[in-house]
Amino acid sequence: RKEVEQDPGPFNVPEGATVAFNCTYSNSASQSFFWYRQDCRKEPKLLMSVYSSGNEDGRFTAQLNRASQYISLLIRDSKLSDSATYLCVVNTNAGKSTFGDGTTLTVKP
Amino acid sequence: SAVISQKPSRDICQRGTSLTIQCQVDSQVTMMFWYRQQPGQSLTLIATANQGSEATYESGFVIDKFPISRPNLTFSTLTVSNMSPEDSSIYLCSGSGHLNTEAFFGQGTRLTVV
Repeated sequence: RKEVEQDPGPFNVPEGATVAFNCTYSNSASQSFFWYRQDCRKEPKLLMSVYSSGNEDGRFTAQLNRASQYISLLIRDSKLSDSATYLCVVNTNAGKSTFGDGTTLTVKP
Repeated sequence: SAVISQKPSRDICQRGTSLTIQCQVDSQVTMMFWYRQQPGQSLTLIATANQGSEATYESGFVIDKFPISRPNLTFSTLTVSNMSPEDSSIYLCSGSGHLNTEAFFGQGTRLTVV
């Protein structure tokens, strides 16, 4: 079993749609959690950190459930520019980041 | 967040040769890491670059193949040695200020071995 598992998608949604990505992790000692965005042929870039209390940044909402070892990302009112691969990232020990395989989102006009 | 400059951005190399990739951070960072990303796949950690000491390698990666240097808190290199076509990949360095803070990445090096 992978340490971090994501629904690979792809997700193909129309503009304006709401889409949710899920991620589970296996190491209960994991310390910190993030969502990254990776555009084609580019490096990953931090989208947002994920906290137990949940956090929101504009159209993006992230949730963490430590008991279920589950992380989610909700994107509302999807834009064409949201098309990318979204990576769930979990920091385990020694500050190392473990990446999920990514979920590909395509937003269509 | 800090900015990491990684070079070269891409290279095409002959099998049997070696390539050294450099990452320069514009501020001191506690942690630096090297990743590989195969086409269509996610990132796989190669090693943690330790300042002033030998890198810590993940399972499946060895120092002889991927020697790493980190002489100070702002700079690191990864060498891909005795390359074969299977080493064709994107190599990325990352840095973070503390153990549980987010990492930021260099622009990546797209390596093709022919």
